[in-house]
Amino acid sequence: DAMVIQNPRYQVTQFGKPVTLSCSQTLNHNVMYWYQQKSSQAPKLLFHYYDKDFNNEADTPDNFQSRRPNTSFCFLDIRSPGLGDAAMYLCATSPPGGRGPETQYFGPGTRLLVL
Amino acid sequence: DQQVKQNSPSLSVQEGRISILNCDYTNSMFDYFLWYKKYPAEGPTFLISISSIKDKNEDGRFTVFLNKSAKHLSLHIVPSQPGDSAVYFCAASANGNKLVFGAGTILRVKS
Repeated sequence: DAMVIQNPRYQVTQFGKPVTLSCSQTLNHNVMYWYQQKSSQAPKLLFHYYDKDFNNEADTPDNFQSRRPNTSFCFLDIRSPGLGDAAMYLCATSPPGGRGPETQYFGPGTRLLVL
Repeated sequence: DQQVKQNSPSLSVQEGRISILNCDYTNSMFDYFLWYKKYPAEGPTFLISISSIKDKNEDGRFTVFLNKSAKHLSLHIVPSQPGDSAVYFCAASANGNKLVFGAGTILRVKS
């Protein structure tokens, strides 16, 4: 089945130790998104790629970076995780054209714990 | 600044009755509204949407109502089923741009 895959599902890291979360998709969608969702809060868009064009949200901290080496993969790098970065990180994709927001497909998320 | 608000963190409903989930927004530029459903250990999945040019959209047991003057939308589920128990997120977008989500409402349908 075509899908959005996130690995790992749970990630534990130490305060200040760089961590990378990965997302892959078999949908061949050209847009990929990273969201951060803290407990009982709304998912918040961090950035998105339209093909290789990177679009950063204005309030996304510099501590968060992203890479998209090809259509299928997208990575979220947290350079120096703080306790406040503990959250669920959701990856999503959407196809070209049409009504993009309606057709965002989400992965199951990676829950990050910072010790 | 929360542009999309779901003021009820949770809702409990008896099976067969109506579930009504509410959402308020502040940005008058929003022109498209969506509801997503999320089960534990899964990502949100698209449920139903409505354009700002409409005030109602129906899909089976699910109906979304939009009141632009009140900047309010609601999701009605009739009849509610135990399998509807999930977290429901309201989301909005302006001009096909990024989604802005609410914090979600946990719906529990009791059998």
